[in-house]
Amino acid sequence: RKEVEQDPGPFNVPEGATVAFNCTYSNSASQSFFWYRQDCRKEPKLLMSVYSSGNEDGRFTAQLNRASQYISLLIRDSKLSDSATYLCVVMRGSGNTGKLIFGQGTTLQVKP
Amino acid sequence: DVKVTQSSRYLVKRTGEKVFLECVQDMDHENMFWYRQDPGLGLRLIYFSYDVKMKEKGDIPEGYSVSREKKERFSLILESASTNQTSMYLCASSSMPGRNQETQYFGPGTRLLVL
Repeated sequence: RKEVEQDPGPFNVPEGATVAFNCTYSNSASQSFFWYRQDCRKEPKLLMSVYSSGNEDGRFTAQLNRASQYISLLIRDSKLSDSATYLCVVMRGSGNTGKLIFGQGTTLQVKP
Repeated sequence: DVKVTQSSRYLVKRTGEKVFLECVQDMDHENMFWYRQDPGLGLRLIYFSYDVKMKEKGDIPEGYSVSREKKERFSLILESASTNQTSMYLCASSSMPGRNQETQYFGPGTRLLVL
């Protein structure tokens, strides 16, 4: 079983739609969670951290459910520029030797 | 603006060749990482380094070695390239814990083809 699992999609949605991605992780001791974004043929970049209480950044909302070991990303009012692959990331370990474990990514295509 | 650069965007090598991939960061970061990214498998950590001359194995170190002689430079070495090492290689760096260590800054990647 993969340590971080995501539905690869693709998710094809019209502009203005609301779309949600889910991710599950297997290590219940994981403490830190993130969403990265990767545009086609580009490098990944941090989109947002995921906090226990849930957090919002503009049109993006991230949620964490520790009991179910589940992370979600909600995008409201989708824009064409949101088309990308969204990587769910969990930190294994902590401190200086903590390592990021990446899911395989969920591809979003926003259509006009 | 943060900057991680990699020596090549595209590389074609033959089976058995020794391959060097270079990564340089200008952010004075302590931690540096090498990943490979393959369809359906996502990013997998090959090696990382949290200080000059220090290195730690990641999840898939077999067939690779690394070198970190200077803080800003982290090299990935394929001692004898094989076709199953055809992949996209991504270098990343981050600062110490307590200073957004989870924010890794990635280079543009090197697409390596081994024939």
